[in-house]
Amino acid sequence: EAQVTQNPRYLITVTGKKLTVTCSQNMNHEYMSWYRQDPGLGLRQIYYSMNVEVTDKGDVPEGYKVSRKEKRNFPLILESPSPNQTSLYFCASSLRQTSTDTQYFGPGTRLTVL
Amino acid sequence: QKEVEQNSGPLSVPEGAIASLNCTYSDRGSQSFFWYRQYSGKSPELIMFIYSNGDKEDGRFTAQLNKASQYVSLLIRDSQPSDSATYLCAVRSSGYSSASKIIFGSGTRLSIRP
Repeated sequence: EAQVTQNPRYLITVTGKKLTVTCSQNMNHEYMSWYRQDPGLGLRQIYYSMNVEVTDKGDVPEGYKVSRKEKRNFPLILESPSPNQTSLYFCASSLRQTSTDTQYFGPGTRLTVL
Repeated sequence: QKEVEQNSGPLSVPEGAIASLNCTYSDRGSQSFFWYRQYSGKSPELIMFIYSNGDKEDGRFTAQLNKASQYVSLLIRDSQPSDSATYLCAVRSSGYSSASKIIFGSGTRLSIRP
């Protein structure tokens, strides 16, 4: 089954404790992206990757890191999480990033930073 | 001015009626437009996409695009309780470059009352 998977689905952590949220897709998509979703603010892009070893900042990259060493995986790293990073996170992928490509979303990771 | 604007709702529609969801966007270079449905706590799910001016129908859903007015809408005919969700409008600019990204509106909450 074609899908985007994320782990963990739920995470409660404390300020400053490094964490990684994994994202994997099995559709051979070139483009992958991370979003956070907060009430009233919609989906905001954190980082994206056009292909292996090619990543760039989205609209809200502060406090986050990413890597793209393999085509299928795009982990999101929070080196020193803070309470304002409490949010619902979605990974998404698309074949490429042309105007006709649609994005497919993972199930989401609900992160709480205490 | 937000790049993609939607009325947050809630929009309450009786079962069996037509629900009309609206979205405006600011970038005249935008080329493709997407409607996602999102149930509470779940990931966005693509319903429809439209690239050309006019109407595009898919089952009970019709997307309407007016590029001159920078306006895109989604009509849901014969509304069902299962249509109760938040609907996200997303807009993508043209080209294959790092500038071509999807911008999401903050969503309209739709409630179908029996």
